[in-house]
Amino acid sequence: DTEVTQTPKHLVMGMTNKKSLKCEQHMGHRAMYWYKQKAKKPPELMFVYSYEKLSINESVPSRFSPECPNSSLLNLHLHALQPEDSALYLCASSQDDRNEQFFGPGTRLTVL
Amino acid sequence: GQQVMQIPQYQHVQEGEDFTTYCNSSTTLSNIQWYKQRPGGHPVFLIQLVKSGEVKKQKRLTFQFGEAKKNSSLHITATQTTDVGTYFCAGDSNSGYALNFGKGTSLLVTP
Repeated sequence: DTEVTQTPKHLVMGMTNKKSLKCEQHMGHRAMYWYKQKAKKPPELMFVYSYEKLSINESVPSRFSPECPNSSLLNLHLHALQPEDSALYLCASSQDDRNEQFFGPGTRLTVL
Repeated sequence: GQQVMQIPQYQHVQEGEDFTTYCNSSTTLSNIQWYKQRPGGHPVFLIQLVKSGEVKKQKRLTFQFGEAKKNSSLHITATQTTDVGTYFCAGDSNSGYALNFGKGTSLLVTP
């Protein structure tokens, strides 16, 4: 299995909702990432987990809360988001640092 | 902090013409990676360059890493409509897992 899966594909939520994005990989990769991508912009790194520990948090607001339950799973919990948080949220994984990253198809999030 | 600049922002070519996108970093990179993102898709890894002066080829695509490991280029020979998409370079400055993505070059190929 050489793919990263993400659910849901699309999500529409209100500013008071709580929702979670899920990401899974079965390639034995030890690093997993969350990116945010706005239209016509590059992916913007949010969080990095290395060996299931949070190693990088790029000053992301606390309304985004990552979780890595095990080496194959990565969640992003969302609470009290703002309309400007609407974007494509991409999950990626890599074997180790400085290896290529495999991206999932993303979750397209709309905050109303 | 490290910045990776990428030009041009957009390129529109006729099918069969060549295409080149360039990346420049403000600091020395330990490696540089290239990704392609089709419209409506997600980034897909193309290649990683590690050595100073390295040149790698994938069919019609040629990737170069500068001698000082601060710049890189992707050249496509005889573009096809399947080459349409946004090409991103991403530099790793040896600071850990964080890749710094360039802003990307959007390529449009008309038949």
